[in-house]
Amino acid sequence: GIQVEQSPPDLILQEGANSTLRCNFSDSVNNLQWFHQNPWGQLINLFYIPSGTKQNGRLSATTVATERYSLLYISSSQTTDSGVYFCAVVIVGGSYIPTFGRGTSLIVHP
Amino acid sequence: DSGVTQTPKHLITATGQRVTLRCSPRSGDLSVYWYQQSLDQGLQFLIQYYNGEERAKGNILERFSAQQFPDLHSELNLSSLELGDSALYFCASSKDTGELFFGEGSRLTVL
Repeated sequence: GIQVEQSPPDLILQEGANSTLRCNFSDSVNNLQWFHQNPWGQLINLFYIPSGTKQNGRLSATTVATERYSLLYISSSQTTDSGVYFCAVVIVGGSYIPTFGRGTSLIVHP
Repeated sequence: DSGVTQTPKHLITATGQRVTLRCSPRSGDLSVYWYQQSLDQGLQFLIQYYNGEERAKGNILERFSAQQFPDLHSELNLSSLELGDSALYFCASSKDTGELFFGEGSRLTVL
């Protein structure tokens, strides 16, 4: 099956710092999403981005489908950015079931 | 608010018992997915329904079952519960594009 690898597994930042989270996948994808799981366990949609670049406030994402990776950029991080960031992919010609990476755990200190 | 509603939010029960988790998808979404997230684990796909029919199965135990009703809400039934079944159970829904929207989850604790 498809392999989805996220890096780094853990990240600790000081408030105001910038960071880049990476998601590598082993096959061509139809869909790719980024989610933020906050400390209360809620999964929040960040981006639906099978290709290209999108921005939403301090967050932006880029997917380079031909090279099988996606990046999530967090600028001027805030303590509320803490939590776990997941990417999920749906592969071309596959089961259409989103497969999740194991996530990047982010802690932002004040 | 994602538009996906899950109940109950929290549930505490004993080993050997049976529970039912309920999910109402977003308006217009025909697909419903169930995922399990155990402590410090990723999201494991359990099962998917599309317009009332089972479409895909993941690593769902035989003690677990699910269904999707004509009004498109879905229920996940967990029986003969074991300590290891304690987890967050998420429901998600999507339209044909496959973009997932998650409910807030049902946190199950088995004592």
